[in-house]
Amino acid sequence: QKEVEQNSGPLSVPEGAIASLNCTYSDRGSQSFFWYRQYSGKSPELIMFIYSNGDKEDGRFTAQLNKASQYVSLLIRDSQPSDSATYLCAVNIGVGGGNKLTFGTGTQLKVEL
Amino acid sequence: DGGITQSPKYLFRKEGQNVTLSCEQNLNHDAMYWYRQDPGQGLRLIYYSQIVNDFQKGDIAEGYSVSREKKESFPLTVTSAQKNPTAFYLCASSIERAAFFGQGTRLTVV
Repeated sequence: QKEVEQNSGPLSVPEGAIASLNCTYSDRGSQSFFWYRQYSGKSPELIMFIYSNGDKEDGRFTAQLNKASQYVSLLIRDSQPSDSATYLCAVNIGVGGGNKLTFGTGTQLKVEL
Repeated sequence: DGGITQSPKYLFRKEGQNVTLSCEQNLNHDAMYWYRQDPGQGLRLIYYSQIVNDFQKGDIAEGYSVSREKKESFPLTVTSAQKNPTAFYLCASSIERAAFFGQGTRLTVV
């Protein structure tokens, strides 16, 4: 079982719709959760982080964490063509190795006009 | 202008050569990381360092070496022992829990 799993997509949504991206993780001791956006040929950019159960909102982005279900999601409201990118989920396993992040393989999002 | 600088942006290596990728940060971050990304794949951890003069192997360290002589610098050497080095290499640094990335080096074996 992979430590961090994401559906590779592509996930296609129309402009203005809500995009929902999901991620599951295997280590119950995981403490910190991150979403990165990566445009083709570029490096990942941190867009959201969440540490506690529940929702965290920042502009059009909402991160949701459910530690009991080992599930973290990212909602993008009013999706724009500029949101088209690969979204990487990352988890800080937090076991011995400090702040080492483990990444999922990413979900490709396409926002269509 | 604070940030993480990787150089070069593109690098070509001949079979059997060692090459060194540079990573410098002026964010005063303690921790630094090297990741490798293959096409359509996620990031895999090569090496990481929490403090100066100390570093640990990640998940795919074979064929790679690093040093951490200064807080600001964490160079990665891709040795001839790395049989499939063509990839996008990303350096990151972190404070507290989140990691921030440089612009990456795209290495190609010719």
